[in-house]
Amino acid sequence: KAGVTQTPRYLIKTRGQQVTLSCSPISGHRSVSWYQQTPGQGLQFLFEYFSETQRNKGNFPGRFSGRQFSNSRSEMNVSTLELGDSALYLCASSFGLAGGWGETQYFGPGTRLLVL
Amino acid sequence: SQQGEEDPQALSIQEGENATMNCSYKTSINNLQWYRQNSGRGLVHLILIRSNEREKHSGRLRVTLDTSKKSSSLLITASRAADTASYFCATGDMNYGGSQGNLIFGKGTKLSVKP
Repeated sequence: KAGVTQTPRYLIKTRGQQVTLSCSPISGHRSVSWYQQTPGQGLQFLFEYFSETQRNKGNFPGRFSGRQFSNSRSEMNVSTLELGDSALYLCASSFGLAGGWGETQYFGPGTRLLVL
Repeated sequence: SQQGEEDPQALSIQEGENATMNCSYKTSINNLQWYRQNSGRGLVHLILIRSNEREKHSGRLRVTLDTSKKSSSLLITASRAADTASYFCATGDMNYGGSQGNLIFGKGTKLSVKP
């Protein structure tokens, strides 16, 4: 079974630009979560999508948005980039079943974004 | 917000030695998970222990959970250079009322295993 894939793997942008990152989950997984990882803040949850609906959202500004398509693929968008948005962006997929917390997440390799 | 806090932040050992990492968390949990991350890459799930379990083994890994102390430990026995990585504990976020989608991670323990 293919793992979680993320594109692109590396990205360089300048302040004020916007960026779109893509994530393809493991086949059969309906939940896709996004995380931001920085040396200072560590791993922080951005949002989760399940069946094309945002189910959870972390504490990030509205510049960070996402969506999920009917095939469970997900994209996240960051508008008006700031230097502090430089980070490794990780997506993770899972079955997203109800009834228990903290389901095992399967992570992609990440997209490293550098904002200049 | 950080739920799990790993201790120590960094650990350096020789090949063949055992490595122990600890994690403390703040709220009630359904389960606790450990993940490994090799330098700047994605996370790999290692083991999940449920709140009604006290100990779990997987190969050279042993995880314990003490819900009364809100703490967990990860033991890697007979470590190898390939175990060099950052290790994170993670818990489900109860604040979201039981939905699945996110884990709260600690800042991790950076393990260095010298050959």
